[in-house]
Parts: sequence; structure tokens; C-alpha cells
Amino acid sequence: DTEVTQTPKHLVMGMTNKKSLKCEQHMGHRAMYWYKQKAKKPPELMFVYSYEKLSINESVPSRFSPECPNSSLLNLHLHALQPEDSALYLCASSPGQGAIYGYTFGSGTRLTVV
Amino acid sequence: AQSVTQLGSHVSVSEGALVLLRCNYSSSVPPYLFWYVQYPNQGLQLLLKYTSAATLVKGINGFEAEFKKSETSFHLTKPSAHMRDAAEYFCAVTQGVDSSYKLIFGSGTRLLVRP
Repeated sequence: DTEVTQTPKHLVMGMTNKKSLKCEQHMGHRAMYWYKQKAKKPPELMFVYSYEKLSINESVPSRFSPECPNSSLLNLHLHALQPEDSALYLCASSPGQGAIYGYTFGSGTRLTVV
Repeated sequence: AQSVTQLGSHVSVSEGALVLLRCNYSSSVPPYLFWYVQYPNQGLQLLLKYTSAATLVKGINGFEAEFKKSETSFHLTKPSAHMRDAAEYFCAVTQGVDSSYKLIFGSGTRLLVRP
């Protein structure tokens, strides 16, 4: 299995909703990442997990809450989002915490906040 | 701080023509450089990477890139474009002294392939 699987593929949520994005990989990778990508823009790093511990938070608002239940799973909990949070949310993984390895990206969750 | 600049937000070529996508980097330390491709409504796929070994790097789908330190460039080429190559291409560089966690992406170049 050489994939990163993200669910759901599409999500529409209201500003008062609570929802979660899920990411799963079975490649034995020990680092996992959340990126946000706005339309026609490059991806921007949000969080990095290394060996199931949060190692980097790129000053992301608290309405985004990551969780890494085990080495294969990464969640992103969403609460009280704003319309400007609408974007493609990409999960990625790598063998270790290092860009030199290259990342494997999932197909993303397209989030629309109404 | 490290950064990459991609020249040209859109590049249009005819099917069968040479593809050249430009990327220049800025780095105070030897960089690690990457090219990713993103097809519509999909995630990013690694095309190739430079990690200070051979300066000419071959990737998937017939793409290659050459690291030129004197020009601070890492341009992506393919001898003959196919319709299926139409996508968004991102150049990226690592940030940090060692093999650190963070990829810094360029603004992207959309490749259009004309029949």
C-alpha cells in the first residue's frame, strides 16, 4: 500500500458545525502533515506530527485541532470555521520528519464553509 | 530564508513539443529541491528530487531536471509533451540547515498542452 487516503473527499459545513477530516497511511511512515491549499495557490503547511507527537504548529488558529491517534492515522478537527477557511486540505506522510525523503500526498478534502 | 521562484504562471506548448518549466531557488545552504505535479482535484505527486547527488535528476513520466548552482536554477524539462501532462507543477525547496521538515513551495506553473 503506497497511498495516503483522505476522507471525506468533499465537505460542506456551517460556521457553527463541528466536523473532522481523516487521513490514513499504511506505509510505516512516521511523519504526517496537514497542508491547506487555496485555489490557484501553493500548499501551506499547517501541522507536522513526528512519531505521533505534534512537532510543528504553523500558528494555525485554534479552530483547527489536529490529532494523531496512532502512527497510521491523522485527524483534523474543525470547529467554528469561517468562510475564508474554505480550501483543499491535504494530508501527507514521509518516512521520517525530513523533506529530503519527499512526501506522499493524499488527494485531499475539499472543504466549503457556508 | 529559503525560497523558490517559478517563472511563468502559465506555460502552453503543443503536443510533442519540448516542455520547459523554470524554477530558481534562493538558499544560503545547499538546498534540497523537488518538483511536484498536481492534476485537477487531486493531491500532489512527487516527480523528482535533488538531494546533492547527481545534478541531472530523472523523474517519473519522462521528466528530468538539472541542478545548476551557478544559475541557482532547477528547471524541469520533458522532450515531448503529452496531453496527459496538462497539470499544475510546483517547485519546492526545504527550509532548514539539515534535512528539515518543511517544504517551501513556489507559486506553481500551469502547463497547458495543445493538440
